[in-house]
Amino acid sequence: EAGVAQSPRYKIIEKRQSVAFWCNPISGHATLYWYQQILGQGPKLLIQFQNNGVVDDSQLPKDRFSAERLKGVDSTLKIQPAKLEDSAVYLCASSLLAGAKNIQYFGAGTRLSVL
Amino acid sequence: SQQGEEDPQALSIQEGENATMNCSYKTSINNLQWYRQNSGRGLVHLILIRSNEREKHSGRLRVTLDTSKKSSSLLITASRAADTASYFCATDLGNDMRFGAGTRLTVKP
Repeated sequence: EAGVAQSPRYKIIEKRQSVAFWCNPISGHATLYWYQQILGQGPKLLIQFQNNGVVDDSQLPKDRFSAERLKGVDSTLKIQPAKLEDSAVYLCASSLLAGAKNIQYFGAGTRLSVL
Repeated sequence: SQQGEEDPQALSIQEGENATMNCSYKTSINNLQWYRQNSGRGLVHLILIRSNEREKHSGRLRVTLDTSKKSSSLLITASRAADTASYFCATDLGNDMRFGAGTRLTVKP
């Protein structure tokens, strides 16, 4: 079974530039998550999709971050414009179910450096 | 905001010793999960314990849950150098799962 795929693995941009990350979840997984992990901290949920609908985006900075999951499969996360404090690893995860007992499977992440 | 808090923040032991990590949380949960993260990689699920369970085992892992104290512990027995990683507890609140800041475990060969 293929895992969660993310690209790119690394990205370096200057502040105020735009950047996009891509995620392909495990086939058949209805729920997809984007997390931000700042160095030395645990993952912080940015947005959760159930199929192509948003379940929770309460911690997504909507003035600069956006995400979509067209057709309920792949997803993209965009930052526009980026700030220095956006430097972090962006993790995508998927799970078969939402709610209780939702074991999440993570991709390797995209490490973003904003200069 | 993060729900769980791991303790200690960092732990260094010799190979063969046991490692114990603790997690405290604030609100009622459906279940609690532990994940491992190797440097530069994504998180890997280790074990899930439901709110009505008190103890669970998986290989060299033993997890306990005390809902009255809102705390959990992860014990890794007979540690190996390959166990070197960060360990996170994650509290499942229903449609929302929150991760702690993690414990960084170093196992010296």
